[in-house]
Amino acid sequence: GENVEQHPSTLSVQEGDSAVIKCTYSDSASNYFPWYKQELGKRPQLIIDIRSNVGEKKDQRIAVTLNKTAKHFSLHITETQPEDSAVYFCAASIGAAGNKLTFGGGTRVLVKP
Amino acid sequence: ETGVTQTPRHLVMGMTNKKSLKCEQHLGHNAMYWYKQSAKKPLELMFVYSLEERVENNSVPSRFSPECPNSSHLFLHLHTLQPEDSALYLCASSQDSLGGNEKLFFGSGTQLSVL
Repeated sequence: GENVEQHPSTLSVQEGDSAVIKCTYSDSASNYFPWYKQELGKRPQLIIDIRSNVGEKKDQRIAVTLNKTAKHFSLHITETQPEDSAVYFCAASIGAAGNKLTFGGGTRVLVKP
Repeated sequence: ETGVTQTPRHLVMGMTNKKSLKCEQHLGHNAMYWYKQSAKKPLELMFVYSLEERVENNSVPSRFSPECPNSSHLFLHLHTLQPEDSALYLCASSQDSLGGNEKLFFGSGTQLSVL
C-alpha cells in the first residue's frame, strides 16, 4: 500500500520567514495530494491540495509543489505569522477517493514572534 | 452547529466498559469516516461508510464496532478496550468516497482514555 513520509517532524521559524515541509510517497499511482492544518485542540482542516496533472498551486501565502518523477511534494508558507503555528499533515491518495487517503506523520510548526 | 459534530469530547473508560462515540454531519455528504490519531503517529483510517454501506475496514480489532444508521450519523461502539487504544478519535465526512468531492471535513474529535 501507499506510504507517506513527512519531514521535518518539528519546525521552528521566526515570524516573517518562510517554512517548507516535504513529503514523499511510495505509490506512483497516487494522484491527489492534500494538506491539512490542525491547530492546537482543533480539528484538521484542508488548506490546499494539488492533483498530479499540475506541478504547482498557490493560494495567498501558501503554495504546494509536486514532483511526480521523484515522488515528492512540498508545502511552502511565506511571510509566516503566529497564526500559522499548527501541525500540518500531508496526504496522498489514489483516485482522489477518500478511502484511499494515506497521511504523513505531521509537522509541528512554531512561528516565533 | 453546522459541519461535523462529535460527542462526547472527552471519555474515560475502564477496560471492561462499553461506550459509544457519536458523529453527526450536517453537510449533506454521502461518506463518513473514523480516524484514530495517536501521539507521534499518522492519522490512521479505521472505517469508511459510503451511502451507509461500509466500504473500508482497515484491519481494525473487533473491539471497535462501527454503525452507520443513515448518511448523517456514524457511531463507534467500544468494548473491552486496551490502554493502547487511548487516542483522539476523529470523525470526518466527504461528499463522496469514490472519486467525487474528496475534501474531508473533520469533527473536533473524542479524546479517549482507557484505564
